[in-house]
Amino acid sequence: DAGVIQSPRHEVTEMGQEVTLRCKPISGHDYLFWYRQTMMRGLELLIYFNNNVPIDDSGMPEDRFSAKMPNASFSNLKIQPSEPRDSAVYFCASSFLAQTGELFFGEGSRLTVL
Amino acid sequence: DAKTTQPPSMDCAEGRAANLPCNHSTISGNEYVYWYRQIHSQGPQYIIHGLKNNETNEMASLIITEDRKSSTLILPHATLRDTAVYYCIINNAGNMLTFGGGTRLMVKP
Repeated sequence: DAGVIQSPRHEVTEMGQEVTLRCKPISGHDYLFWYRQTMMRGLELLIYFNNNVPIDDSGMPEDRFSAKMPNASFSNLKIQPSEPRDSAVYFCASSFLAQTGELFFGEGSRLTVL
Repeated sequence: DAKTTQPPSMDCAEGRAANLPCNHSTISGNEYVYWYRQIHSQGPQYIIHGLKNNETNEMASLIITEDRKSSTLILPHATLRDTAVYYCIINNAGNMLTFGGGTRLMVKP
């Protein structure tokens, strides 16, 4: 299995632009998580899905952030418009219910907003 | 979920055992202890978890005190590749893990 796949690995954009981060979870996993990591705030859970349905989005910082999971093999996280304070590494993770607590993380997408 | 307290950093000599402590004095009876690590520039990696009994796998051992208020992650023979930030997490909500500051382990030759 290729593991959790995220793209792009690096994104540099200008303030005000729309950013789309993508994630392909491990096949057969029914939970998908989006985390954000910064030096100041560490790893923060933004939102998670179960069977493609958003369960808890209380960690999404603002209305500028949105996430969708149209099918079991794809999710995206959008920021529109982007701001410099959104600069961070965004991680996607997936897990299978039977392995509660064992999350498999992708390599992350490093976002820089100028 | 219960909060955890970990030392911000630790050193260990290569080849020696690394013992990483975690205090979780407010842990509830149905909460598990999880350990993850994050090697620089990579996503966090699951190591091990336990409820009451000590656990061992190919990566590490987890020792949980009888009162469950603290635990220790043991890397029996640390290598340079074990240099990472190690997170101790207490959780009973299934998959919603909350990461704290962790312990930055530096393995030195």
